[in-house]
Amino acid sequence: AQKITQTQPGMFVQEKEAVTLDCTYDTSDPSYGLFWYKQPSSGEMIFLIYQGSYDQQNATEGRYSLNFQKARKSANLVISASQLGDSAMYFCAMRGQGAQKLVFGQGTRLTINP
Amino acid sequence: GAVVSQHPSRVICKSGTSVKIECRSLDFQATTMFWYRQFPKQSLMLMATSNEGSKATYEQGVEKDKFLINHASLTLSTLTVTSAHPEDSSFYICSARLGLAGGRFKDTQYFGPGTRLTVL
Repeated sequence: AQKITQTQPGMFVQEKEAVTLDCTYDTSDPSYGLFWYKQPSSGEMIFLIYQGSYDQQNATEGRYSLNFQKARKSANLVISASQLGDSAMYFCAMRGQGAQKLVFGQGTRLTINP
Repeated sequence: GAVVSQHPSRVICKSGTSVKIECRSLDFQATTMFWYRQFPKQSLMLMATSNEGSKATYEQGVEKDKFLINHASLTLSTLTVTSAHPEDSSFYICSARLGLAGGRFKDTQYFGPGTRLTVL
C-alpha cells in the first residue's frame, strides 16, 4: 500500500520568498510516480509537476521544482519567488507501479502575504 | 492541452431527486477517468475508477447503486447521484488520465473544475 504524508497543515510566507512544501511517501513498489497539485479556492485541481522514481534529475516546471530524495522517500515541492496567486491548497500524490489511482496526502494550505 | 471540463459547476436539488454530472476530456482521449469527492478542508476521496466500455470499479464503502458511473466514450464519463439526500452534499471532482499518448506526462491525471452539489 502507498501512503503520502504532508506534515505542514498550513504555511505562511512573504511574497517573493521561496517556499518548500514537504511530502514524504511510503511504498514498496520499485517504480512509481510522484505528483503535486494546486487547489485554489475555486476548487479546481491544477497539475504542477511530475517526478518519476527512475528519473535521473529533479523535475522542474517554471517556478516549481521538486526536491526528490529517493533514499529518504521525500518529494518536496519548491516554489521560487512566491506570488500572491500562489496562495492555495497544495496536494502531493503518488501512483504505484501498475496502479491506476493516485494516493493523495492531506494537503498544505499555503498563504502568501504581501 | 489536457483540458477536462465538468458540468454543471454547481447544482442545488431537492432531497430524493437524481443529479447527473458530466466529465469530458476536451483535447485528448481518456481510457480511464476517476471520480472523487471532497469534503471541506479535506483531501480528495476516490469514489470510483471508470474505464471506457466497462463497469466502474468502486472504492470500498461507496454505494454502487447510489453513485452510478457511466463511461460510454473515450471523452465522456457521467456520475449520477440517485435519490440524493443532504448528506450527499459535497464537492465532486472528476479526472482523466492522459494515457500512452501523453508523452512526458503520460501518467498524469488532469482534473475537471469540480461540481458543488447541495441537496436541500
